[in-house]
Amino acid sequence: EIVMTQSPATLSVSPGERVTLSCRASQSVRSNLAWYQQKPDQAPRILIYGASNRATGIPARFSGSGSGTEFTLTISSLQSEDFAVYYCQQYDNWPPITFGPGTKVEI
Amino acid sequence: QVQLVQSGAEVKKPGSSVKVSCKASGGTLRTYGVSWVRQAPGQGLEWMGGIVPLFGPVKYAQSFQGRLTITTDESTSTAYMELSSLRSDDTAVYYCARALGAWFNYWGQGTLVTVSS
Repeated sequence: EIVMTQSPATLSVSPGERVTLSCRASQSVRSNLAWYQQKPDQAPRILIYGASNRATGIPARFSGSGSGTEFTLTISSLQSEDFAVYYCQQYDNWPPITFGPGTKVEI
Repeated sequence: QVQLVQSGAEVKKPGSSVKVSCKASGGTLRTYGVSWVRQAPGQGLEWMGGIVPLFGPVKYAQSFQGRLTITTDESTSTAYMELSSLRSDDTAVYYCARALGAWFNYWGQGTLVTVSS
């Protein structure tokens, strides 16, 4: 099973700041990596797939990079609506599909 | 616009089973694939199992083997997740999610399953 780790667990930031979230896989997942955003009491929402492709309707301030075992989600200028928990997910070798533990972005 | 609408909250006794439905509008489920993901209170996301896109087989996470069954009814565009031998640590919100490849572009609203005696 591929284990996903994320850092940091919590990130305290101010609106307008640039935010970088990290995700690491225990073995290579090539570019088969997705990022999701989840707000309280809501289902997750896809942000990025294929490590760097923005999903439909996702603002350009969200970008993804990386391949293999190291990945990054960057929010170029944090907006108030971006405070949420962010999860990475690998889908290179499944089952199982595995998620990281999440990074909470808070004020 | 694709929508996944799940059945309502359930309260179950330990040892019983629960069956949650997920009705899709727009596109067949087995064409795209559908998975079930759960989230225990205050915890992260856990993939339980799913149907491989393009009418592929059902795959299950090892931790649910033997007590999880995922099925679809193409005539009603509905997927089902049935979990048996329920325990208190199965208390969670259960989501269905439609896959594009194996990442999830549409999610249901979630169904809270509470297991309590």
